[in-house]
Amino acid sequence: DAKTTQPNSMESNEEEPVHLPCNHSTISGTDYIHWYRQLPSQGPEYVIHGLTSNVNNRMASLAIAEDRKSSTLILHRATLRDAAVYYCILRRIGAGNTPLVFGKGTRLSVIA
Amino acid sequence: DGGITQSPKYLFRKEGQNVTLSCEQNLNHDAMYWYRQDPGQGLRLIYYSQIVNDFQKGDIAEGYSVSREKKESFPLTVTSAQKNPTAFYLCASSIVGRGLNEQFFGPGTRLTVL
Repeated sequence: DAKTTQPNSMESNEEEPVHLPCNHSTISGTDYIHWYRQLPSQGPEYVIHGLTSNVNNRMASLAIAEDRKSSTLILHRATLRDAAVYYCILRRIGAGNTPLVFGKGTRLSVIA
Repeated sequence: DGGITQSPKYLFRKEGQNVTLSCEQNLNHDAMYWYRQDPGQGLRLIYYSQIVNDFQKGDIAEGYSVSREKKESFPLTVTSAQKNPTAFYLCASSIVGRGLNEQFFGPGTRLTVL
């Protein structure tokens, strides 16, 4: 699996936008970019995924660079409940029922 | 409500004892997974199963065993051969097929070896 690189930690003020970066310079054309997040003492939960185009859902937006070597998860207005570890994961098309490969992710702290 | 349940939430065991962690899902998912998480680390795969009566080892299977006799259940046994079993254990499930195949995670079991 292609590797992803994320900052260890980031901090944000409440109600401000947060941009969480992920580098994946060895991404292949058949790799989707997935984001999961893990709230304290809970299991991870799916946030968003994309292939080439930017994506929006009720939780977040995903901005994908034109060369696909990096992406950014955008939380439009951070709340205290968004404090979590965010994982950027690459998944090959058709490999949906195979295990996820987790890195250490980015620990997001939200300050009131 | 559909989901994944893990029990117990906290588990204590004495060194040298085997212990079994429960994982049940009512999502009708074919695939189930067990991950281990140590403090400050990401999740690591122990075992996974894509169909009943079949399972594959993950990256850190040594000292663990699983069974998949029913679609809904995927129990994990931590044996005395696991040298450092204290960790947070997470079970997940997903459908098998084309598409997103989002993984759904249970709330986890925190195992402490005394």
